[in-house]
Amino acid sequence: EIVLTQSPGTLSLSPGERATLSCRASQSVTSNYLAWYQQKPGQAPRLLIYGASRTAIGIPDRFSGSGSGTDFTLTISRLEPEDFAVYYCQQYVSSPYTFGQGTKLEIK
Amino acid sequence: EVQLLESGGGLVQPGGSLRLSCAASGFTFSSSAITWVRQAPGEGLEWVSDISASGTVTSYADSVKGRFTISRDNSRNTLYLQMNSLRAEDTAVYFCAKPRFRGDYDYWGQGTLVTVSS
Repeated sequence: EIVLTQSPGTLSLSPGERATLSCRASQSVTSNYLAWYQQKPGQAPRLLIYGASRTAIGIPDRFSGSGSGTDFTLTISRLEPEDFAVYYCQQYVSSPYTFGQGTKLEIK
Repeated sequence: EVQLLESGGGLVQPGGSLRLSCAASGFTFSSSAITWVRQAPGEGLEWVSDISASGTVTSYADSVKGRFTISRDNSRNTLYLQMNSLRAEDTAVYFCAKPRFRGDYDYWGQGTLVTVSS
């Protein structure tokens, strides 16, 4: 089973700032089968990024993903008030398709 | 518009059983694999089980293997999760999710809460 470790656990930033979230895998995520999700309280997760760097339909271009192998990054270039939420990475290269433990992005 | 609507959650005693359903619409259900993901209160996401488009291939997390059974009825556009021998640690919101390609989920239901408690 591939274990994903996200850091930091909590990130405190202000609107307008840049956010950088990390996801590290215990083994290589081949074919860049790595996704990022945003989840707000009481809601289902929303797919932001797939294939490590491809933006899902309807997602603003301030969200971007990068990385390969075992190290991946989600960047939000300029935070909007609606971006404060919990973010999860997930690998879908091998079953079980594991998720990271999440990074909470909170308003400073 | 793609819609996934879960139902069947509720309060059940430890050792009991429950069957969840996920009604799908807005896409060709019989052509898509479908997945169950759960989230314990205040916790992260856990992949539970998935099933191929035809229903012939299934996978389970170790935590539910032997207790949960995933199935689907393509004539009714409905996914199921039969949960037996339930434990307190199965308490969670259960989501059904449709993969965009493989295991990246672009559509999710609103979830149904399962509470296992005496």
